[in-house]
Amino acid sequence: NAGVTQTPKFRILKIGQSMTLQCAQDMNHNYMYWYRQDPGMGLKLIYYSVGAGITDKGEVPNGYNVSRSTTEDFPLRLELAAPSQTSVYFCASSPGQGAREKLFFGSGTQLSVL
Amino acid sequence: RKEVEQDPGPFNVPEGATVAFNCTYSNSASQSFFWYRQDCRKEPKLLMSVYSSGNEDGRFTAQLNRASQYISLLIRDSKLSDSATYLCVVNRAGYALNFGKGTSLLVTP
Repeated sequence: NAGVTQTPKFRILKIGQSMTLQCAQDMNHNYMYWYRQDPGMGLKLIYYSVGAGITDKGEVPNGYNVSRSTTEDFPLRLELAAPSQTSVYFCASSPGQGAREKLFFGSGTQLSVL
Repeated sequence: RKEVEQDPGPFNVPEGATVAFNCTYSNSASQSFFWYRQDCRKEPKLLMSVYSSGNEDGRFTAQLNRASQYISLLIRDSKLSDSATYLCVVNRAGYALNFGKGTSLLVTP
């Protein structure tokens, strides 16, 4: 049982490049989330999903896109990378609503945009 | 007023000491409260939920004060391994959670 798996762990992008951060969970959780954490700041919700085929915006969705074609996978897409997207990205899942249930986090992706 | 506010610290305490953190929240309609622990460059992990009646888990005690809109975390008999950042988390409307910036704790020998 791997939990929540994120890849890659580290990535450097040039301005304007695109990439997809991968996230997979093997706990059959319906709820999945993408957060970003800037240095010295709290986690900010980018997008979330309450089940396959259903996604919605969080607090800071601009510059990102997501899809949820299966229960297990919730990739995050950056289309035109900007320096403001330099951050640590965490994917998380929960069996029920994140507001009431424990969140299980992946180990994070450190992204630098130069 | 920020939605979730914490004193960033750092709190430097010797082993065996008792230390307490407070966290204030602005949304009086919030229903769910948590403390997460985050080690340096690692993912957050749930430390404990916070219930209205207060709850204890070993050396850790969490309290909720709805009237004053704050939650607290008390750590007794601090261990070196308790050194971490402690995140106060409060639910917003719907599915979202508000994470505080965290309080840094350093336990020294």
